[in-house]
Amino acid sequence: DVQLLESGGGLAQPGGSLRLSCAASGLTFSTYAMNWVRQAPGKGLEWVSIISPSGETTYFADSVQGRFTISRDNYKNTLYLQMNSLRVEDTAVYYCAKGGKSGGFDIWGQGTVVTVSS
Amino acid sequence: DIQMTQSPSSLSASVGDRVTITCRASQGIRNDLGWYQQKLGKAPQRLIYATSSLQSGVPSRFSGSGSGTEFTLTISNLQPEDFATYYCLQHNSYPLTFGPGTKVDI
Repeated sequence: DVQLLESGGGLAQPGGSLRLSCAASGLTFSTYAMNWVRQAPGKGLEWVSIISPSGETTYFADSVQGRFTISRDNYKNTLYLQMNSLRVEDTAVYYCAKGGKSGGFDIWGQGTVVTVSS
Repeated sequence: DIQMTQSPSSLSASVGDRVTITCRASQGIRNDLGWYQQKLGKAPQRLIYATSSLQSGVPSRFSGSGSGTEFTLTISNLQPEDFATYYCLQHNSYPLTFGPGTKVDI
């Protein structure tokens, strides 16, 4: 079975940094685009970023552009999200999600909680 | 950016009912739309991709239709495990955008 396991969440201060990881298993990781999606407490889903299978191409939501970086290590089957200049409004559950062959996200991790507060 | 709207924002239904949720895009997105179900405290799961294709393992009471700017998710014969929040997602262009969600409860 395909599994995605996020880690790295926690408490950060405004202006601080965190790095999230997503360990993938049960799939040929290097052949799929990967995404981060977040959900603020009591709110809906918000797509954050995508990275191509090779890692050469990335896109970001306007709300995180210039502050977040997405990367991947295809040897370690791991996806990353480096979050800098964190804001209170970045508080959310962060999910990694595998890109489906027809677009969208066909497999999701269980999520990791990020809280930004002073 | 493509804006996605959903209606209704919430609905009350009973087991056995037929439920229809509508998603509209601010511009044409061909059939680049999926539907996701999220139960309280859990990660979302995809139900439908490419507007009308059923994700593997998803019961056939879920179906999707539409094209261009208007899309529909239909749940026939609503089951107790279907009470959840449903989101549409367009993946036609970046940034990818979700609808605001439709909560289905009793």
